[in-house]
Amino acid sequence: TQLLEQSPQFLSIQEGENLTVYCNSSSVFSSLQWYRQEPGEGPVLLVTVVTGGEVKKLKRLTFQFGDARKDSSLHITAAQPGDTGLYLCAGEDTGNQFYFGTGTSLTVIP
Amino acid sequence: ETGVTQTPRHLVMGMTNKKSLKCEQHLGHNAMYWYKQSAKKPLELMFVYSLEERVENNSVPSRFSPECPNSSHLFLHLHTLQPEDSALYLCASSQDRIYTDTQYFGPGTRLTVL
Repeated sequence: TQLLEQSPQFLSIQEGENLTVYCNSSSVFSSLQWYRQEPGEGPVLLVTVVTGGEVKKLKRLTFQFGDARKDSSLHITAAQPGDTGLYLCAGEDTGNQFYFGTGTSLTVIP
Repeated sequence: ETGVTQTPRHLVMGMTNKKSLKCEQHLGHNAMYWYKQSAKKPLELMFVYSLEERVENNSVPSRFSPECPNSSHLFLHLHTLQPEDSALYLCASSQDRIYTDTQYFGPGTRLTVL
């Protein structure tokens, strides 16, 4: 059973466009994180959200944790080629188990 | 050198070989992790060490054997692997074994089992 489903799985957009990536679960999570992984590298943490309804902004990236703490979204405004990478959500459920999501591979075309 | 380093970066081994993966962190962290990243599957947490003690083992086959001799070093010993074990093996560290702590990942070891 997959606990953290991400959508879309693949996304290819033109530079300057906006996009949203989703991370959904049927389980409640006490915290949720977003990572970006570039080819040949390990994932790098972008943000951690811990409160239902929380919104965090990191320059052109906006992260939201759902009110029920079962889902999260990542919105990128005016995407740039440097945003290309694999975006991973990860969360700790209320049983203290830690999981990564299925991933979204983003390509931003110049 | 800073951050989390892993050696080797690439490894090809036969099913009867014994090899070891090495991870070293220069961040003064207390917790270290091994993950497996396969194509079309989510990153899987394999082992967690906190202050050199194994605190979590997510039902990993015994052909994978971790070792944490001190808080800076983590090894993954490999023995009689299967082709389906081919994957990217990632090491990470965090200040403490709290999942809201930032985990810092190494670049990974790309393992191919023939």
